[in-house]
Amino acid sequence: DAKTTQPPSMDCAEGRAANLPCNHSTISGNEYVYWYRQIHSQGPQYIIHGLKNNETNEMASLIITEDRKSSTLILPHATLRDTAVYYCIVRVSGTSYGKLTFGQGTILTVHP
Amino acid sequence: DVKVTQSSRYLVKRTGEKVFLECVQDMDHENMFWYRQDPGLGLRLIYFSYDVKMKEKGDIPEGYSVSREKKERFSLILESASTNQTSMYLCASSQDPSTNEKLFFGSGTQLSVL
Repeated sequence: DAKTTQPPSMDCAEGRAANLPCNHSTISGNEYVYWYRQIHSQGPQYIIHGLKNNETNEMASLIITEDRKSSTLILPHATLRDTAVYYCIVRVSGTSYGKLTFGQGTILTVHP
Repeated sequence: DVKVTQSSRYLVKRTGEKVFLECVQDMDHENMFWYRQDPGLGLRLIYFSYDVKMKEKGDIPEGYSVSREKKERFSLILESASTNQTSMYLCASSQDPSTNEKLFFGSGTQLSVL
């Protein structure tokens, strides 16, 4: 699996957009980018995933660079409830059999 | 929305007790998983199941067993609890093998074995 690199922590003001970067320079052509988050003392929550096109859902947008070596998760209007650890995972779809590897992630703190 | 419900949020047990952790999902998902999460060790897969009465070992099955008698329910059993099984236990489900990276997790059970 391609390795991912994320900043250890980020801050964001409430109501502003939070842009969380992820570097995956060794990604292969059939590997998807997945984002999860984990709010303190809760289970991880799936956010979004994509292969090469930008994706948007009700929670966030995912922007993948054209060379696919990096991506950005965008929370358009961050709230205090978005404070969590955000994990970027790269994986070939259908191959993990649940064995996802969550790295250190980015601790996002949203301030009032 | 998919809901994965774990029976207990916090549990305290004694060494040697038999412990049952229950998990129920309401979206008719084929696959269910049990993990434990420990600081510095991340998420580790204990067991998973692709169908009723089917189970597969994950990375750390020792000391655990599972049961899946109905599609919506997946139980984790600690046959004889030990202090090194103190952990956060997470249940998850996914729709089918092609989407096993899109997991839906429960809120977790923080188990303390004294």
